[in-house]
Amino acid sequence: GENVEQHPSTLSVQEGDSAVIKCTYSDSASNYFPWYKQELGKRPQLIIDIRSNVGEKKDQRIAVTLNKTAKHFSLHITETQPEDSAVYFCAASIQGGSEKLVFGKGTKLTVNP
Amino acid sequence: EAGVAQSPRYKIIEKRQSVAFWCNPISGHATLYWYQQILGQGPKLLIQFQNNGVVDDSQLPKDRFSAERLKGVDSTLKIQPAKLEDSAVYLCASSSTSGNEQYFGPGTRLTVT
Repeated sequence: GENVEQHPSTLSVQEGDSAVIKCTYSDSASNYFPWYKQELGKRPQLIIDIRSNVGEKKDQRIAVTLNKTAKHFSLHITETQPEDSAVYFCAASIQGGSEKLVFGKGTKLTVNP
Repeated sequence: EAGVAQSPRYKIIEKRQSVAFWCNPISGHATLYWYQQILGQGPKLLIQFQNNGVVDDSQLPKDRFSAERLKGVDSTLKIQPAKLEDSAVYLCASSSTSGNEQYFGPGTRLTVT
């Protein structure tokens, strides 16, 4: 079945620096790749997603890139702020559809003021 | 638009007891998911409903877990009997038939002692 690997597991940056989180997936039929942000004790919230027909998508300080050949995708956060501190999860759709997701294990991002 | 609602938010039970969780998805969302999120890991899909029918329950431990969505709206997830390893946050999510985005509820934190 689909396997999603996420790195690093923890990431600490200074406020204003950039943060990059990387994920790899195994199912070449995957075509939908969302990223979720989960603050302590709260629900996961979708922050950005990308579909396989697009190589890059940007939303203000957040961007996601996708390399289908290499089967990896990355989350980029620029000009990080303390409120960006949270656990970030990547996910990939399975079985060629876009309704079932397999999640990575998460990256705990800490932005130091 | 109201989000996904879940109750209770917290539950503490002893092993071998039973417990039930309730989820009310976003109005009009046909697809409903139950996930198990163990501390320090990403959400793991337990069961997926499309309206009132089960689409995927391949990762549901059917000897002790059951779920239903009788009228295609609310859903309940039951564990009977509970084991220590069932301690986790149980997340409900929903999505519309026209979109891929999954929206999560606040979760129920279960502690089995």
